[in-house]
Amino acid sequence: QLQLQESGPGLVKPSETLSLTCTVSGDSISRSGYYWGWIRQPPGKGLEWIGTIYYSGSTFYNPSLKSRVTISVDTSKNQFSLKLTSVTAADTSVFYCVRQGTAVAAGKFDPWGQGTLVTVSS
Amino acid sequence: QSVLTQPPSASGTPGQRVTISCSGSTSNIGSNIVNWYQQLPGTAPKLLINSNNQRPSGVPDRFSGSKSGTSASLAISGLRSEDEADYYCVAWDDSLNGFYVFGTGTKVTVL
Repeated sequence: QLQLQESGPGLVKPSETLSLTCTVSGDSISRSGYYWGWIRQPPGKGLEWIGTIYYSGSTFYNPSLKSRVTISVDTSKNQFSLKLTSVTAADTSVFYCVRQGTAVAAGKFDPWGQGTLVTVSS
Repeated sequence: QSVLTQPPSASGTPGQRVTISCSGSTSNIGSNIVNWYQQLPGTAPKLLINSNNQRPSGVPDRFSGSKSGTSASLAISGLRSEDEADYYCVAWDDSLNGFYVFGTGTKVTVL
């Protein structure tokens, strides 16, 4: 059964870099042909797509975050990661990692990790 | 940046039919497929409808999706208490080299 698990610090200081890793179990990132992504949800608010990566390293980012986001993949560890620089309180969110469909625009986010809350505060 | 517009809330009594709209534009819903997600309180969202109107395995047939032009809809028939949740639509937008845009979300309350 495919499972995704987010990990990383739950507290980040303003202006610093938020780093999260998603560990995939039950399938191989490099073998499956799927895209993998990050989505966030500020407390009490809606969902926002952050970006997507293919096992080859091809990336797609939300234009509103593109200047601050880097998503990378480590196929040897079956993980993909998110870095968000220069964070502010507005970046406080629950961050989810997801498996997407086999087409970048399919929007089929399934399954989702359980999510991890990252708070930006000094 | 564009968003997909949903009503903030919808409600019904058990057994009723509830419909949620998702309004977009030619660059997103008008050009690409729409998926729907259900988020129960305190949990991660779950895929409910993909490819406009396809139910993944395990999703009750009480849930149905449709799309016409630049709008999409999610219908819940035979409303049940466990359907009380937030619902989001999402579609790819072809502008600005492409990106996903989510709906604003609709809170469904079972009265």
